[in-house]
Amino acid sequence: NAGVMQNPRHLVRRRGQEARLRCSPMKGHSHVYWYRQLPEEGLKFMVYLQKENIIDESGMPKERFSAEFPKEGPSILRIQQVVRGDSAAYFCASSQLAGEVQEQYFGPGTRLTVT
Amino acid sequence: ILNVEQSPQSLHVQEGDSTNFTCSFPSSNFYALHWYRWETAKSPEALFVMTLNGDEKKKGRISATLNTKEGYSYLYIKGSQPEDSATYLCAFQAAGNKLTFGGGTRVLVKP
Repeated sequence: NAGVMQNPRHLVRRRGQEARLRCSPMKGHSHVYWYRQLPEEGLKFMVYLQKENIIDESGMPKERFSAEFPKEGPSILRIQQVVRGDSAAYFCASSQLAGEVQEQYFGPGTRLTVT
Repeated sequence: ILNVEQSPQSLHVQEGDSTNFTCSFPSSNFYALHWYRWETAKSPEALFVMTLNGDEKKKGRISATLNTKEGYSYLYIKGSQPEDSATYLCAFQAAGNKLTFGGGTRVLVKP
């Protein structure tokens, strides 16, 4: 049973470019969460998605960031016009069900470096 | 803003010794408390999910307790081994599924 997959593992972008981070949840999981770890900080919640729906985006920056989880394919976290402050590790997690306490299983993360 | 604190930030333990550390969290709107083990360059690994006041969970030499009334949880490692070296994260869950993480306790077990 493959775990949560994220790609790429490392991504380098120049300021102003776009970054696309992909997350494939565990098999059978339909809930995806994105977390960000800025340098010297802890993991911070960004967004919670179910298939084709954004459930909670209270942790997403208001501009340049968007997320989707289409009916088919991985979840995508998109950062437009990246700035140096976007350099961080971005982690995706998935869970099976909502409405009850569930473990969230984490992927290995994508380390974004903005030059 | 939810405040989830872990202490100490780091600790060194001699192989074979036991140790414990703390996670404090808001005592209101509690839904669950999660513990994760995070080794460098790997994914955070779920250890426990705790929901009930007085809960105790155990996995091998690692165990955890929960006090929701006063808002704290302890993680214990018995007979520490070098492979226990990792950062241990706790995460508070209110209603809704998002997790609010503490800063972690970095454990280094010296042979």
